[in-house]
Amino acid sequence: AQSVTQPDIHITVSEGASLELRCNYSYGATPYLFWYVQSPGQGLQLLLKYFSGDTLVQGIKGFEAEFKRSQSSFNLRKPSVHWSDAAEYFCAVGDTGNNRKLIWGLGTSLAVNP
Amino acid sequence: DAGITQSPRYKITETGRQVTLMCHQTWSHSYMFWYRQDLGHGLRLIYYSAAADITDKGEVPDGYVVSRSKTENFPLTLESATRSQTSVYFCASSESAVTYNEQFFGPGTRLTVL
Repeated sequence: AQSVTQPDIHITVSEGASLELRCNYSYGATPYLFWYVQSPGQGLQLLLKYFSGDTLVQGIKGFEAEFKRSQSSFNLRKPSVHWSDAAEYFCAVGDTGNNRKLIWGLGTSLAVNP
Repeated sequence: DAGITQSPRYKITETGRQVTLMCHQTWSHSYMFWYRQDLGHGLRLIYYSAAADITDKGEVPDGYVVSRSKTENFPLTLESATRSQTSVYFCASSESAVTYNEQFFGPGTRLTVL
């Protein structure tokens, strides 16, 4: 069965520092991969997505992610974190069935120190 | 406004009462989803729908009922609310005309069952 693992439940970084959030998935073929962000009290917003092609994808708010098939990973990065990036981040992979479902990781909570 | 809306945004009810959470989208997306979000559990799929009059169970359907008589609406009903159904509920939609699984989320409904 497909699964998504986000190894870090909680991460704290200082403002201006670089950030990497980890995501590992299990899936046989080329997956559809997503990162979503949830600010406190808000719904989920798509940061970026990968379907095929260039393995480095750019998203909104200065985020990028790199698909590494050999490592079954899709890590999210940002070179310089802003206080407004404090939020919950979710990684997801598209389900194999023709149902548009997503398989979700449990999320990583990001705190930003001033 | 275009997009996906949920109502009410906040609801307090008592054990045993019936509660209906509403979800409305203006994109005419074929697929719609209901999730609940609880600390430590991430997002869990309750029900989803591929089109009007087509619904299917997700991971945690017990105690919930859905219907979809119109493409744009996907109400979720708790037939007899229990305290364990205290949660934040998110509705999402997805377009079927593309081969990937991107989902668009509503702002959520925070439900408290006393």
